[in-house]
Order: sequence, then C-alpha cells, then structure tokens
Amino acid sequence: NAGVMQNPRHLVRRRGQEARLRCSPMKGHSHVYWYRQLPEEGLKFMVYLQKENIIDESGMPKERFSAEFPKEGPSILRIQQVVRGDSAAYFCASSPRTSGEADTQYFGPGTRLTVL
Amino acid sequence: GQNIDQPTEMTATEGAIVQINCTYQTSGFNGLFWYQQHAGEAPTFLSYNVLDGLEEKGRFSSFLSRSKGYSYLLLKELQMKDSASYLCAVRGGNDYKLSFGAGTTVTVRA
Repeated sequence: NAGVMQNPRHLVRRRGQEARLRCSPMKGHSHVYWYRQLPEEGLKFMVYLQKENIIDESGMPKERFSAEFPKEGPSILRIQQVVRGDSAAYFCASSPRTSGEADTQYFGPGTRLTVL
Repeated sequence: GQNIDQPTEMTATEGAIVQINCTYQTSGFNGLFWYQQHAGEAPTFLSYNVLDGLEEKGRFSSFLSRSKGYSYLLLKELQMKDSASYLCAVRGGNDYKLSFGAGTTVTVRA
C-alpha cells in the first residue's frame, strides 16, 4: 500500500516564477491537508481539501497561493510569483475521514522549495 | 488559537529513557498526536491519545492529561536511530487540522 506521494521532492524557482507542488494521497484516503514548515519552526496548517472541494483554507495566504483537489489526479498547491519568503518544506498529508483514530493524518516526504 | 509548547532539545544515552513533555492551550480538544521526523524526511505517526491515561506501543508510550493540558512521549531503551525530532500536535474541537509544536530534537549518544 503506497504511502502519500509528493513531487517534486526538490524545486528551485527564481523570484516571480510559479511553483506547482503535487500530492497523491494514500489509497482510500479522500482528505488532503497541506502544511508548511519553515526552518526551525513547526508545521503550519495551510489548507484542507476533499475531492473537488476546499473545506478550510484559513492557513493559506490570501494572495498568490491556491490549492485544488480535482476529481481525477493529484492535489495541487500552486504558488504564483514566488518570493524568497516562500522557501520552505511543503508537506501534504492524507486521512480517510474526520473522526476517531482512523483519521490519523499520514504525511508525504515533502517538497523543498528554494526561491533564488 | 492554539499554543503548543515542548522543549527544543534533549540528549540521552543509548539504552536510556527519555521523556518529552508537551503542554497545550487550545480552543477545544479532539486528540493529541505524536510524530517522529528525521531530518529531511516526512513526519511519521507514533501515537494518538484522546482519553486521559497512558498508551503503550512497544518502546514508545504516550500519556495525556486533558485537565492539565499536558502530554508526554516516553522513549525507552533508546537506540541511535531514535535520534530525530519529535512533534506534538493537537487537533482542536470540531477541527481536523493539526496544530504542531516546534518539535523536540532528541540526540542519542553512544
């Protein structure tokens, strides 16, 4: 049973370019969460999605950031016009449902974004 | 909002026991999770507590006191491979998102 998949593992962008981060949840999981981890800081929640729905994007900056989880294909976190402050590790997690221990979130290996 | 506190660093000797404390102040509570994260890798799930008491899983145990807003992760018979960051995370009431502490870096020495 494959775990959460993320690609690319490393991404380098110049200021002003776009970054697209992909996440495929574990088989059977329909809930996806994106977190950002800055150096020496804890993971910070960004957005929670179910298939074709954004449930909570309260942790995502209002500008330049967007996320989607289409009916088919991976979830995408998109950052437009990247700035140096966007450099971080972006982790995706998935879970099967939202109550009880079965809703443990399992994390992917992350995408490390470096903005030059 | 959520406030999760845990020590920054701890050092212990191979074969010893280490206890990592976590205190939290949250608006509502729906479970506390511990994750292990090796440098450059994904956080991996270790334990989950939602009721008061001790949960034991092999060499790892986790304790929760909801009235005190307190948890600890106990690592026994430490091995070199246990050197990692340990993350305490709380799921708030009616919430699904996890609020993480900054993590405790544990270094195991021979």
